[in-house]
Amino acid sequence: NAGVTQTPKFQVLKTGQSMTLQCAQDMNHEYMSWYRQDPGMGLRLIHYSVGAGITDQGEVPNGYNVSRSTTEDFPLRLLSAAPSQTSVYFCASSYKGPGTSGNRYEQFFGPGTRLTVL
Amino acid sequence: AQSVSQHNHHVILSEAASLELGCNYSYGGTVNLFWYVQYPGQHLQLLLKYFSGDPLVKGIKGFEAEFIKSKFSFNLRKPSVQWSDTAEYFCAVISGGYQKVTFGTGTKLQVIP
Repeated sequence: NAGVTQTPKFQVLKTGQSMTLQCAQDMNHEYMSWYRQDPGMGLRLIHYSVGAGITDQGEVPNGYNVSRSTTEDFPLRLLSAAPSQTSVYFCASSYKGPGTSGNRYEQFFGPGTRLTVL
Repeated sequence: AQSVSQHNHHVILSEAASLELGCNYSYGGTVNLFWYVQYPGQHLQLLLKYFSGDPLVKGIKGFEAEFIKSKFSFNLRKPSVQWSDTAEYFCAVISGGYQKVTFGTGTKLQVIP
């Protein structure tokens, strides 16, 4: 299994440009999430999905859109990039599982995308 | 809304010293608790997790954590740290089923040889 993959690894944008960060997982996980990591602020949840066709907002959703048309893919779209969106973005997936399954809810993270907005 | 506090932002230890990193959460119901580690330049990896049962949880690389429900705490411990433990450590909480995962702000651990 490749686990969680993200592309690109690095990206530089100009203010106002749009782009899509790709995320895919091959573990058949129901849950997928996008986080941004900024120094001193830990990981903050942007959007998450509990299954194909279902998405919801996290803590910092403004300026980002998501969709989940398949179980495997969960792209994050920046509509009009701003310098405040300069960050490292992590995608994660997790297994729902029954009851108290040992793997339930454990987050598997992708390698991250380092985004700079000029 | 649930929140997670990690009071130690930066910890510096010598090799072989004992480690304890604090994690407190604010939620009165059933919680699932996690500690993740992020080595320099890498993504987060799971160290250990608590769902139910024995409140003393053992993880990888000699780490353990104790869930104390009355104190809303889930502190991470290691009896003797190594230089290779230099990393950032994050506590995370999920409550009430999979709603939203809340991470603490992280603790940077620097181990001096």
